[in-house]
Amino acid sequence: GAGVSQSPSNKVTEKGKDVELRCDPISGHTALYWYRQRLGQGLEFLIYFQGNSAPDKSGLPSDRFSAERTGESVSTLTIQRTQQEDSAVYLCASTLAGQTYSTDTQYFGPGTRLTVL
Amino acid sequence: AQSVTQPDIHITVSEGASLELRCNYSYGATPYLFWYVQSPGQGLQLLLKYFSGDTLVQGIKGFEAEFKRSQSSFNLRKPSVHWSDAAEYFCAVGLRWEYGNKLVFGAGTILRVKS
Repeated sequence: GAGVSQSPSNKVTEKGKDVELRCDPISGHTALYWYRQRLGQGLEFLIYFQGNSAPDKSGLPSDRFSAERTGESVSTLTIQRTQQEDSAVYLCASTLAGQTYSTDTQYFGPGTRLTVL
Repeated sequence: AQSVTQPDIHITVSEGASLELRCNYSYGATPYLFWYVQSPGQGLQLLLKYFSGDTLVQGIKGFEAEFKRSQSSFNLRKPSVHWSDAAEYFCAVGLRWEYGNKLVFGAGTILRVKS
């Protein structure tokens, strides 16, 4: 079946502009994660959704970052007033269920490469 | 704080040679451990994972990894590397978390394969 998809694959924007990044998880996966991957670094956790609610937003780096999820499917990560340090690859992952201490595998999308000029 | 260290930023091996990628973690409890591979333009693909039981874990594409609690390590190995294995490899610790498991990643190791 189809995997996790993300759009756009690449986004170049000017400093100060707002951007929206989209994630389509695997159908039926109720748990969704956003990560950020800066050049030469590992992935940083940003936010987690269980269904349409976000019980853990602890990784969002500032109030310029927000995310929502509708219909237990598509999620949008919004970055307002982008800064050059926001340049990174933003990855989305989904799992079947976010059960307590779950061992479900996270399936990742190809990411969106964001460049802020 | 939980952390994952991959000491080698780049590794170059000849095709057909053996490979070992190092991973050390810092975590107070027994960890869930993962290795992912990322090819250019692709998402991360799970190679293998360890939750409990046998400390030698077999994965896809001929990879294996061994969990050594005494060394806090989870090194990835392959006996004979193929050119298609050239990619970036990430080790991750899955923290036991009320919502499932939250992954903490190492910085990655870029593998180059020379013919």
